[in-house]
Amino acid sequence: AQSVTQLDSQVPVFEEAPVELRCNYSSSVSVYLFWYVQYPNQGLQLLLKYLSGSTLVKGINGFEAEFNKSQTSFHLRKPSVHISDTAEYFCAVSGGSSASKIIFGSGTRLSIRP
Amino acid sequence: NAGVTQTPKFRVLKTGQSMTLLCAQDMNHEYMYWYRQDPGMGLRLIHYSVGEGTTAKGEVPDGYNVSRLKKQNFLLGLESAAPSQTSVYFCASRSTPGRAVEKLFFGSGTQLSVL
Repeated sequence: AQSVTQLDSQVPVFEEAPVELRCNYSSSVSVYLFWYVQYPNQGLQLLLKYLSGSTLVKGINGFEAEFNKSQTSFHLRKPSVHISDTAEYFCAVSGGSSASKIIFGSGTRLSIRP
Repeated sequence: NAGVTQTPKFRVLKTGQSMTLLCAQDMNHEYMYWYRQDPGMGLRLIHYSVGEGTTAKGEVPDGYNVSRLKKQNFLLGLESAAPSQTSVYFCASRSTPGRAVEKLFFGSGTQLSVL
């Protein structure tokens, strides 16, 4: 069965510093990978996704992620964060033997310090 | 274009009561999902559907039932509510998997408290 591990439950960073949010998945076959963001008191919206092709994926708000099949990872990065990036970030996986399901990780809360 | 609409937005139940959460989408999507969100546990898949008349179990299906009688609606039922079902529930519909436009469209959530 698919599973997703987000290694950090909370990540505090200073404004304008770079950030990396880590995500590892378990699947032995082709997968689709996603990052969703949930701003305070809001629903979830898609940041970016990997379906196939280039392993470096660019999303909205300056975020990017790199698919690494050998490491089974899909880490999210941003070179310089802003206060408005304060949110909870969720990695998700779909594909393999359970292609219809989308399984989410436990989330990483990103807090930006001025 | 309303997207995904969930009703109700808030509900308080007593242990043992039943209720149904309604999810409606107007995008003609085949795939629909019910998740629950709890602090520190992310979103956990309860049940999902890949088309009208079909349903399947997710990660945490116990205590819940679902129905997809019409393509645009996906109902989540709690037959006998328990305090462990206190959570925020999200419905989502999914555009065609694997296509460039693929993504989940989420409803605004239902905050359920079971006393």
